Amino acid sequence: DIQMTQSPSSLSASVGDRVTITCQASQDINDFLNWYQQKPGKAPNLLIYDASNLETGVPSRFSGSGSGTDFTFTISSLQPEDVATYYCQQYDILPLTFGGGTKVEI
Amino acid sequence: QVQLVQSGAEVKKPGASVKVSCKTSGYTFTGHYVHWVRQAPGQGLEWMGWINPNSFDTKYAQKFQGRVTMTGDTSINTAYMELSGLRSDDTAVYYCARERFLAAAGVGVIRHWGQGTLVTVSS
Repeated sequence: DIQMTQSPSSLSASVGDRVTITCQASQDINDFLNWYQQKPGKAPNLLIYDASNLETGVPSRFSGSGSGTDFTFTISSLQPEDVATYYCQQYDILPLTFGGGTKVEI
Repeated sequence: QVQLVQSGAEVKKPGASVKVSCKTSGYTFTGHYVHWVRQAPGQGLEWMGWINPNSFDTKYAQKFQGRVTMTGDTSINTAYMELSGLRSDDTAVYYCARERFLAAAGVGVIRHWGQGTLVTVSS
């Protein structure tokens, strides 16, 4: 199985800060990489697909980049409503696998 | 709008089976794969498998092979996930979720999620 390693596992930042999360795949996954946001007690929500494509309706302060094995997720200006856990997920090779998550706090 | 509504919470004894339903609406049921993903308390997300409701083709994660069965009923636009031989470490919230892409275009981007079903395994 492809292992997805996210870092950091948690972070605390201030409103307005730029926040960056990284995700590393154990092998080349091209750009078959998605990012999800999960708020406490809720189902995950797709933010970014294919490494850099913003899902419809998702605020433009969220962005993604990377290809191959190294990927980055960025919140350009952290807002209070962005408090959540963020997960990367690859879909190049079955089984689909998720990173361990990054908990973002303010 | 796309909706996936799951059945209610379950409490099961070790060794039992559980069947979770996922009623869909707002789109053509046969047009998109349905995924099942679980999340143990305080833990991350784990993909269990998918079903193509058009062909009933399924793919299961190796970890669940032999214990999981995913089915669908196109007459009521509902997907099902049955897990047998339950153990305490199967205690989790189980999500059904719809694929973003049309079935012919690909699979692996999970766009619309159900509300989750808590399955508790305890003696």
